[in-house]
Amino acid sequence: DADVTQTPRNRITKTGKRIMLECSQTKGHDRMYWYRQDPGLGLRLIYYSFDVKDINKGEISDGYSVSRQAQAKFSLSLESAIPNQTALYFCATSEAGEVAGELFFGEGSRLTVL
Amino acid sequence: AQSVTQLDSQVPVFEEAPVELRCNYSSSVSVYLFWYVQYPNQGLQLLLKYLSGSTLVKGINGFEAEFNKSQTSFHLRKPSVHISDTAEYFCAVYPRGYQKVTFGTGTKLQVIP
Repeated sequence: DADVTQTPRNRITKTGKRIMLECSQTKGHDRMYWYRQDPGLGLRLIYYSFDVKDINKGEISDGYSVSRQAQAKFSLSLESAIPNQTALYFCATSEAGEVAGELFFGEGSRLTVL
Repeated sequence: AQSVTQLDSQVPVFEEAPVELRCNYSSSVSVYLFWYVQYPNQGLQLLLKYLSGSTLVKGINGFEAEFNKSQTSFHLRKPSVHISDTAEYFCAVYPRGYQKVTFGTGTKLQVIP
C-alpha cells in the first residue's frame, strides 16, 4: 500500500458542486500539504498543516478549505467548484526540520469541473 | 521571498546523450535544494537533495546536481540518458527558517530513441 493515499483519483463534477478530496498517510509525519499542479505553472501550495490544530493558507487558498481530522488525515474541499479549479491535486507529507523540504507525495487526484 | 526559475520548459535529447536541466533560485536566506521527478500519471518523488556539505550531490538513477552558491544555481545532470528517464523534473527550494517549499515550473525531458 502507498504511504500517502489520495481519493478519489479521478473526479468529474459540475460547476457549483461541493467536492472533497481526501488524503491519508502512514508515514507518521506531522506535516501535511495540498498542492495544485497546472501545466506550465508547476506546483502551487493551497494549504498546509503542521499538526492537528495548525492550519495555514498557502499561496492560492481562495475557493478552497481544509480539515485536519487526525494526524494521518487531511482533506481538501471545494465548496462551490468552478471550471478554473480543474487541475491535478497532490497531497504531500514531510517531517520537520531541515528535511522538511523532502516531501512525500500521493499519486494525485485529477479533478475536472464542467 | 524566494523563487525558482527553470528556464527550459522542454528538453529533447537523444538516448545515451548527456543532459543538463537548469535551475536558478533567489532567496534572502540560505536554502536547502531539491530535485523531484514526475513520471507520467504518477506523483512526484525525490531525485536528490542538497542540505549541506559537498556541493556535488548524487541521486537515484544516475543523476547528480551541483550547488553553486555564487551563481545561485542547482543544475541537474546525467551523462547518458535512457528512454526511461522521460519525465518532468521539478527543482524546489526550502529556505532555512521558512515553512514552505517553492517549486519551479518544471522541465519536461523527452528522450528520443
